[in-house]
Amino acid sequence: GENVEQHPSTLSVQEGDSAVIKCTYSDSASNYFPWYKQELGKRPQLIIDIRSNVGEKKDQRIAVTLNKTAKHFSLHITETQPEDSAVYFCAATDPGGFKTIFGAGTRLFVKA
Amino acid sequence: DAGITQSPRHKVTETGTPVTLRCHQTENHRYMYWYRQDPGHGLRLIHYSYGVKDTDKGEVSDGYSVSRSKTEDFLLTLESATSSQTSVYFCAIRNGQGDSPLHFGNGTRLTVT
Repeated sequence: GENVEQHPSTLSVQEGDSAVIKCTYSDSASNYFPWYKQELGKRPQLIIDIRSNVGEKKDQRIAVTLNKTAKHFSLHITETQPEDSAVYFCAATDPGGFKTIFGAGTRLFVKA
Repeated sequence: DAGITQSPRHKVTETGTPVTLRCHQTENHRYMYWYRQDPGHGLRLIHYSYGVKDTDKGEVSDGYSVSRSKTEDFLLTLESATSSQTSVYFCAIRNGQGDSPLHFGNGTRLTVT
């Protein structure tokens, strides 16, 4: 089955700097890659997603890139703000379309 | 919120007792999921459902069973709770198949003593 690895597990940046979180997946047929943000004590919420027919997608300060050949996708946050501090999860949906498998998460700290 | 209610929100139970967690949705979505969240492991899929009475195992299904007798309800049962099942349990729903996002409930914190 699908396996998703996520790095780093913890990331600390200064306010205004950029943050990059990287994920790899194992099943080359996976075709949907969402990213979720989870604030302390809250539920995970979708922040951006990308489908396998697209190489890059951007939404304001957040962008995601996908390299299908390398089975690698990344989240980029620019001009980080203290409210970006949270745990971020990458995920991949298996080719059958039923199961979404998550990475272990990255705890992002943005220091003011 | 996406119309998902989990109950109870918190529960403390003893080892060996049965526990049932409930997920109720008002969105009429076909797909429903149970995940557990533990430090260092992210969100791991326990079971999922792709329709009434249609369920399948996820990554960590041992010790858990599920039932879906109505579109709106997806139950997760721990037949005999163990301390290793202490976790936060999230229910999620999805409207379409595959390339559509999950929407999560607020979670149930379960402690097995």
